[in-house]
Amino acid sequence: DAGVIQSPRHEVTEMGQEVTLRCKPISGHNSLFWYRQTMMRGLELLIYFNNNVPIDDSGMPEDRFSAKMPNASFSTLKIQPSEPRDSAVYFCASTGLAGGTDTQYFGPGTRLTVL
Amino acid sequence: SQQGEEDPQALSIQEGENATMNCSYKTSINNLQWYRQNSGRGLVHLILIRSNEREKHSGRLRVTLDTSKKSSSLLITASRAADTASYFCATDAGGNEKLTFGTGTRLTIIP
Repeated sequence: DAGVIQSPRHEVTEMGQEVTLRCKPISGHNSLFWYRQTMMRGLELLIYFNNNVPIDDSGMPEDRFSAKMPNASFSTLKIQPSEPRDSAVYFCASTGLAGGTDTQYFGPGTRLTVL
Repeated sequence: SQQGEEDPQALSIQEGENATMNCSYKTSINNLQWYRQNSGRGLVHLILIRSNEREKHSGRLRVTLDTSKKSSSLLITASRAADTASYFCATDAGGNEKLTFGTGTRLTIIP
């Protein structure tokens, strides 16, 4: 299995631009998580989906952030408009056990820099 | 504040020595997990210990859990240069899928 796939690996954009991050979970996994990691705040859960349905988006910082999971093999995290404080590494993770905690498999991350 | 907080924040030891990292948490848990993150990479799962377990081993890793003290420790024996990484504990909130990660311990193994 290829593991969790994220694209792009690096993104540099200017303030005000729209940014879309993409994630393909491990085949057969039914839960998907989006995290953000910064030096100041550590690893924060933004949102997670179970069977393509958003379960908890309480970590989404503000309305500029949105996430979708149109099918079991694809999810996007969009920031519109982007701001310099959004600069971070964004991770996607998936797990195969629904309704409980289990090992999460992380993607390599997308390093976002907003100028 | 963080559900899981590791200490020390940073640890440097000589290759071959043992490394011990600690994690404290605040609320009841079903299980606690440890993850490793190499620089510039995603997190990799190391070991999971359930709330009814007190100790678990995996290769050179030994994890203990004390639910009365709400704490866990990760011991890496006979450390190697390749163990250089950040180590995070992660706890669930009891019955749901969310994990809350601690702030991490940055481990450096000196060859």
